[in-house]
Amino acid sequence: GAGVSQSPSNKVTEKGKDVELRCDPISGHTALYWYRQRLGQGLEFLIYFQGNSAPDKSGLPSDRFSAERTGESVSTLTIQRTQQEDSAVYLCASSLGFLAGHTDTQYFGPGTRLTVL
Amino acid sequence: AQKVTQAQTEISVVEKEDVTLDCVYETRDTTYYLFWYKQPPSGELVFLIRRNSFDEQNEISGRYSWNFQKSTSSFNFTITASQVVDSAVYFCALSGTTGNQFYFGTGTSLTVIP
Repeated sequence: GAGVSQSPSNKVTEKGKDVELRCDPISGHTALYWYRQRLGQGLEFLIYFQGNSAPDKSGLPSDRFSAERTGESVSTLTIQRTQQEDSAVYLCASSLGFLAGHTDTQYFGPGTRLTVL
Repeated sequence: AQKVTQAQTEISVVEKEDVTLDCVYETRDTTYYLFWYKQPPSGELVFLIRRNSFDEQNEISGRYSWNFQKSTSSFNFTITASQVVDSAVYFCALSGTTGNQFYFGTGTSLTVIP
């Protein structure tokens, strides 16, 4: 597609429920990132996928968070047993990947605004 | 450590004034990239510029200009003759060659008052 797309754009859920957020990267981009942005805060790295390599999960805040990616396409971020502190905008970005010793420019999706009541 | 510092949390200027957003970085890498992103009220992060560590030439794009100085580890962003549409949060970011992460600053919220 023309850009990174994310769905849903907004999600309201009750505490304790599971949620699944989706990201469609730019076609041809091998790298995919998930970030969390709390209200008025900067970006917090969650997880990174590069091709078929094992993902870098070092930013996931707890074992309630997990993410999957099918090949070099769609990714889903799952939050189990949501808590109120999970309320944030979840941003996905994709890039051409880690090429020639550097990380290429990231292009961001519009984000999913998650509200946990 | 890899780190980006944007010391200015919020800036307000009157339309047509010039404004400079500061960015200071720390990195162990000899080759690295610096970025600026704009996040307007709509929320979507928009890529503005990428600069590699070997290129210290300043860049100008319309009303935007960037001053990269390795000696002070800074990559400052100037908007000339600011406009209301420039109101946004601006993020500076760093990526290197020893990892796959981007390191974002905490952002500077710019408000341009008409």
